Amino acid sequence: AQKITQTQPGMFVQEKEAVTLDCTYDTSDQSYGLFWYKQPSSGEMIFLIYQGSYDEQNATEGRYSLNFQKARKSANLVISASQLGDSAMYFCAMREGRGNTPLVFGKGTRLSVIA
Amino acid sequence: EAGVTQSPTHLIKTRGQQATLRCSPISGHTSVYWYQQALGLGLQFLLWYDEGEERNRGNFPPRFSGRQFPNYSSELNVNALELEDSALYLCASSLNREISYEQYFGPGTRLTVT
Repeated sequence: AQKITQTQPGMFVQEKEAVTLDCTYDTSDQSYGLFWYKQPSSGEMIFLIYQGSYDEQNATEGRYSLNFQKARKSANLVISASQLGDSAMYFCAMREGRGNTPLVFGKGTRLSVIA
Repeated sequence: EAGVTQSPTHLIKTRGQQATLRCSPISGHTSVYWYQQALGLGLQFLLWYDEGEERNRGNFPPRFSGRQFPNYSSELNVNALELEDSALYLCASSLNREISYEQYFGPGTRLTVT
């Protein structure tokens, strides 16, 4: 079974609108971390936001927020007030257990922001 | 503060040759990770080094190997190159802390095998 599932291969959003990118995960660990990365066409992976499994509040970083629903094992990324520069691939990733173990990535969602 | 650096940016090799990719982590980071991103796919974990030791490896054949130097920089070697090794190879670094901590990625090396 896949550890990270991103069901939306591609998404379109109008500039200035909000968009939600879906991510579900599968783990039996009680301690884990969830990450979202942005990958522009240049290829570099840019860290956006992190949510720990024990964090009670949803993480927020500027225009990015993570809608964490632990019981449903979902960690959706919400981007508010979309900008043209948000057009990129977005990857959800998980780290299982404690410590800095390697990340497991989903297949990604390509977001296109339309003017 | 300088980010993670990788060299070379692009590398073209022929089947059967060997490729060497290099990575310098952010200053103070002791963990280095290597990931492979084949065209149209997500990232697949290759190797993890910390304090000079290999901590874990992904589901890749032994011809993928590497090492970490005393200054925490790292090298990824791919022997007997195959066409399907063509991919973007991303290196990431992180602090070695018990709490989960984000990984910072370099710009990648694009390897093309012909």
